[in-house]
Amino acid sequence: QKEVEQNSGPLSVPEGAIASLNCTYSDRGSQSFFWYRQYSGKSPELIMSIYSNGDKEDGRFTAQLNKASQYVSLLIRDSQPSDSATYLCAVKRGNDYKLSFGAGTTVTVRA
Amino acid sequence: NAGVTQTPKFQVLKTGQSMTLQCAQDMNHNSMYWYRQDPGMGLRLIYYSASEGTTDKGEVPNGYNVSRLNKREFSLRLESAAPSQTSVYFCASSERDRAGEKLFFGSGTQLSVL
Repeated sequence: QKEVEQNSGPLSVPEGAIASLNCTYSDRGSQSFFWYRQYSGKSPELIMSIYSNGDKEDGRFTAQLNKASQYVSLLIRDSQPSDSATYLCAVKRGNDYKLSFGAGTTVTVRA
Repeated sequence: NAGVTQTPKFQVLKTGQSMTLQCAQDMNHNSMYWYRQDPGMGLRLIYYSASEGTTDKGEVPNGYNVSRLNKREFSLRLESAAPSQTSVYFCASSERDRAGEKLFFGSGTQLSVL
């Protein structure tokens, strides 16, 4: 079983819709959760981090964490063509240096 | 402000050749990392350096060596390249903010081993 699992997609959404991305993780000791965005041919960049159960909102992005279900999600509201990218879920235990990444979900926003 | 700088951007090697990937950061970060990214596999940690003078193995260290030359620089060496090492390599550094850790990535090195 992979440590971090994501649907690879592609997830195609119309412009203005909500894109919903899901991520599950296997290590119950995980304490820090991150979403990175990676445009094609570019390096990943952090867009959201979440550490407590519940929702965290930042602009058009909302991260949701449910540690009991070992599930973290990312919602992108009012999706724009510029949101077309691969979104990587990453998970970390406590003070570990090792960040475990999922394989990513590719999102395409069609105009 | 350059951030994390990696060289080279592209490299083609023949099986058995050696090379060093260079990485430097100007953000005064203590921690630096080398990841490889393969289709369908996500990013996998090769080696990391929590601070100057220390290095540790990640998930996939076999076939690689690293050197933390100083606080700014962290290099990755392939002693005898194999086709299985064809990948995109990313160097990263991190800051620890109040609640966690944010990685800053270099632009990547696309390596092909023939």
